[in-house]
Amino acid sequence: GAVVSQHPSWVICKSGTSVKIECRSLDFQATTMFWYRQFPKQSLMLMATSNEGSKATYEQGVEKDKFLINHASLTLSTLTVTSAHPEDSSFYICSARPTGGAYEQYFGPGTRLTVT
Amino acid sequence: GQNIDQPTEMTATEGAIVQINCTYQTSGFNGLFWYQQHAGEAPTFLSYNVLDGLEEKGRFSSFLSRSKGYSYLLLKELQMKDSASYLCAVRGPLMDTGRRALTFGSGTRLQVQP
Repeated sequence: GAVVSQHPSWVICKSGTSVKIECRSLDFQATTMFWYRQFPKQSLMLMATSNEGSKATYEQGVEKDKFLINHASLTLSTLTVTSAHPEDSSFYICSARPTGGAYEQYFGPGTRLTVT
Repeated sequence: GQNIDQPTEMTATEGAIVQINCTYQTSGFNGLFWYQQHAGEAPTFLSYNVLDGLEEKGRFSSFLSRSKGYSYLLLKELQMKDSASYLCAVRGPLMDTGRRALTFGSGTRLQVQP
């Protein structure tokens, strides 16, 4: 149980285009989902927290107009990287906390984005 | 804010024991997690400590001292597959969302040698 999927697992896009990444909790409902970014050989950096049905809360330094987050249902959150630049190339990981859960977070497998 | 420190790299021998330390300074501490992350993969949960003391789970144990802002992860009977990054993460204060996020340390890359 407690499986989180991400789609796509990897994507290559051209500068200036937009890319959407999906995060789904497959066998549980998640009121809250988190989006992280990880550069090579570095730790995870929290980008934003989203609650189902409300606006995401972005961490300092993360542009909300560039990284659009939509948490439209209890099992799906999406991250859209708009007008992508090569410096946006990174490993994007989501995690989901089961509704009513105490502390557990379950991570998706990650999406590797390469912007050319 | 939160500040988390871990050693960058460690090397140990198969079958041995290794201790990975983590120190933190934080406001609104609400628990400390250890995750294992293999290269190119998402983190997997290892342990959670919110009270002082040692939590044991098979070959892995985790210790917490809240007064010292200190935790360690102990790995026994090391296996080659234990070569990975080990991330210390602190659960912080309530946010506007009503939830608490995790702040991750930089991770410790453990290399297990034959």
